[in-house]
Amino acid sequence: KAGVTQTPRYLIKTRGQQVTLSCSPISGHRSVSWYQQTPGQGLQFLFEYFSETQRNKGNFPGRFSGRQFSNSRSEMNVSTLELGDSALYLCASSPMGGQGSTGELFFGEGSRLTVL
Amino acid sequence: AQKITQTQPGMFVQEKEAVTLDCTYDTSDPSYGLFWYKQPSSGEMIFLIYQGSYDQQNATEGRYSLNFQKARKSANLVISASQLGDSAMYFCAMREDTELSFGAGTTVTVRA
Repeated sequence: KAGVTQTPRYLIKTRGQQVTLSCSPISGHRSVSWYQQTPGQGLQFLFEYFSETQRNKGNFPGRFSGRQFSNSRSEMNVSTLELGDSALYLCASSPMGGQGSTGELFFGEGSRLTVL
Repeated sequence: AQKITQTQPGMFVQEKEAVTLDCTYDTSDPSYGLFWYKQPSSGEMIFLIYQGSYDQQNATEGRYSLNFQKARKSANLVISASQLGDSAMYFCAMREDTELSFGAGTTVTVRA
């Protein structure tokens, strides 16, 4: 079956703009989580959605937001972009996530955002 | 405090030899999952192996095996018979509830 699909793969924005990234999970997976990867901070958890509800949120400012649709597809939005938001944004999908979940947690190829 | 510690920033290994990547973790939750991922220069995060905290046996997936020592809070990855294509960054991660915490990663370079 198809893997996790993230779009766009690459994008360039300027400071102050906003960006929306999309993630389509593996068919049947209901949990989608987002991570930011930068050379300085490594991989950091942004948020996790399950059945259209945000279950967990990392330590990021309110400029970072997300949502999940009824078909489990998810989007994340970053408003008022800053230079430090330049990063690889990774989406992961899982059947359930959380306690009792199996080891199924697969990532997409990521969306590489450059803020100029 | 760091939840996942990978103490080896980089390692070199000869083709066809085995390599062990160290990972220690910190949690007070009795239920957690441990993952290893491979990230080549392209950026994609490739799932390698998973170990649940209640699993009695060490996980194995082809050339990958996880040496799980629960009392020591250690989850080392062993790659046997290294191949040139194994050159990449390797991340250890732990899932508590719905969040994954990652280590800083270990860069593995396989030499011919």
